[in-house]
Amino acid sequence: QPVLTQSSSASASLGSSVKLTCTLSSGHSTYAIAWHQQQPGTAPRYLMKVEDNGGYSRGRGVPDRFSGSSSGADRYLSISNLQFEDEADYYCETWDRNTWVFGGGTKLTV
Amino acid sequence: EVQLLESGGGLVQPGGSLRLSCAASGFTFSSYGMSWVRQAPGKGLEWVSSISGNGGSTFYADSVKGRFTISRDKSKNTLYLQMNSLRAEDTAVYYCAKLGSETYYNIDSWGQGTLVTVSS
Repeated sequence: QPVLTQSSSASASLGSSVKLTCTLSSGHSTYAIAWHQQQPGTAPRYLMKVEDNGGYSRGRGVPDRFSGSSSGADRYLSISNLQFEDEADYYCETWDRNTWVFGGGTKLTV
Repeated sequence: EVQLLESGGGLVQPGGSLRLSCAASGFTFSSYGMSWVRQAPGKGLEWVSSISGNGGSTFYADSVKGRFTISRDKSKNTLYLQMNSLRAEDTAVYYCAKLGSETYYNIDSWGQGTLVTVSS
């Protein structure tokens, strides 16, 4: 089954941009993934799906400051014009025939 | 607008049972797969179980296989998770989630979660 690897933490300044990475395990580099945001004390929120060709589709109501991209086995979440409310944990997710998998999450500090 | 409302969480002793429910609205329930995902205190997200839109296929994480049962009732637009032989390590917030398609697809909506505490 696939394994997703994320950095444990990232930080960036208010108004700047940041790019978070989710890496698929060997043999799974063509898999699509989804990004989810979890602000402190709240339920997760779906942000977008990112395909292996770099195409992405945002969830309803997700600001266009959030975008996705891909390179090889890496899937990215880019956030521009960072706001304080973007400080959250970000999880990537993928799925196979009989299982769903989450990455360990990246804690973003603004 | 998709709404998922979990209920049924609480305090249960080790070895006990609990049934979680998730009332769904805002979409055609039988057309979409559903999942349960949990989050232990201070930890990340862990997939627990999924079920296809028609209920014919079910999937479980190894950590809960043989103890938990996922099901759905299309007449009530409700998803269930029957949890038996509960252990301390099952303590977590349990989230109901909607998949973006009938079966093999990503989660695209989340409920607010219900807390399950397994302790004597």
